Amino acid sequence: DGGITQSPKYLFRKEGQNVTLSCEQNLNHDAMYWYRQDPGQGLRLIYYSQIVNDFQKGDIAEGYSVSREKKESFPLTVTSAQKNPTAFYLCASSGPPLSADTQYFGPGTRLTVL
Amino acid sequence: AQKVTQAQTEISVVEKEDVTLDCVYETRDTTYYLFWYKQPPSGELVFLIRRNSFDEQNEISGRYSWNFQKSTSSFNFTITASQVVDSAVYFCALSDFTGANSKLTFGKGITLSVRP
Repeated sequence: DGGITQSPKYLFRKEGQNVTLSCEQNLNHDAMYWYRQDPGQGLRLIYYSQIVNDFQKGDIAEGYSVSREKKESFPLTVTSAQKNPTAFYLCASSGPPLSADTQYFGPGTRLTVL
Repeated sequence: AQKVTQAQTEISVVEKEDVTLDCVYETRDTTYYLFWYKQPPSGELVFLIRRNSFDEQNEISGRYSWNFQKSTSSFNFTITASQVVDSAVYFCALSDFTGANSKLTFGKGITLSVRP
């Protein structure tokens, strides 16, 4: 099955810890994205990558880091510098052979800071 | 800067009623894409439709229909004969037309509750 997987589904973190959220896609898409969703809010872009070994900051990149070493994978690290990390995190990808401009989303990871 | 406004935050209807979800957008681009996504309680965003700015034809897919009006910068979504399974948060989004893999700007979403 082609799609986007995110793990874990739920993640609990103690204050001061870094955590890494996984995002993998087997759609052969070039571009991948990370969004953050807070209750009652739309999605806000954290980072995006249009090609392997290259990525750009989105609107709320502070306190986050990413890497793109493989086309299929785009992990997001939430660092201790992120002041309010409790949120729902969604990963997306886009590119041919599906519509290049349409983003398809994974199931999300819910992060809670204890 | 691009902006998407979904003025309705929550809508509650009884099953079989028709319901329209409003979306108003702002952009300086002459070419752009508009999208609707559905977010059921499971959390995953499900793609519903993409419309480019050149195509103002309305679209119908089963019980779903979309009305795109460039003159009023609106891209409204109507569900006919709503069902309980339509209960979800619905997002409207806008992207520029800079080529493949453009960034999306999302509205804040509309929570639709369909009661039996």
